[in-house]
Amino acid sequence: GESVGLHLPTLSVQEGDNSIINCAYSNSASDYFIWYKQESGKGPQFIIDIRSNMDKRQGQRVTVLLNKTVKHLSLQIAATQPGDSAVYFCAENMDDYKLSFGAGTTVTVRA
Amino acid sequence: GAGVSQSPSNKVTEKGKDVELRCDPISGHTALYWYRQSLGQGLEFLIYFQGNSAPDKSGLPSDRFSAERTGGSVSTLTIQRTQQEDSAVYLCASSLMTGEGQPQHFGDGTRLSIL
Repeated sequence: GESVGLHLPTLSVQEGDNSIINCAYSNSASDYFIWYKQESGKGPQFIIDIRSNMDKRQGQRVTVLLNKTVKHLSLQIAATQPGDSAVYFCAENMDDYKLSFGAGTTVTVRA
Repeated sequence: GAGVSQSPSNKVTEKGKDVELRCDPISGHTALYWYRQSLGQGLEFLIYFQGNSAPDKSGLPSDRFSAERTGGSVSTLTIQRTQQEDSAVYLCASSLMTGEGQPQHFGDGTRLSIL
């Protein structure tokens, strides 16, 4: 499943499929980006980050892609599992310390 | 504990009362941040501490909001004369340092409800 385009607020994906969550950021001077996962009643949980001198970074089952030309981030989750159901936020680091968060994408995994 | 700890986890109070929210950051983290999350919304930056000083208070919504950090560790966010629009989840985060490559780690927040 994919939130096609800049941003969709919800994404429904079949268990076992790959998920792609998209995010547009605002400041071309931002040099650091983070993806967070937030489950109901919990605080945002760090997933993966990327610096602006990189185009791609991989973690465990997750990959972040950065396209600075169009100011676009994406998070790819491989083999999506029920535990991946949550709200996903991208954040850009402004002024070296202040995080500016996107609107969030709610991912629902179908069994 | 290993993570950022916030207390109380929930707070219900009457309009006009003062409330104090506490944040205990990850040990050794020099930077501490407060954010606010309204229902179904993203996070809104409030204030940032480096050590005990607050270089940026620009996100505090009004002069009813204040925060302090003592001993370079625990921080408290105080809201005086609470209003219904103050109802939100208040999240605290900490990081080892600031800058790229220094992710902020969040607590589970204090859910504040103003009656």
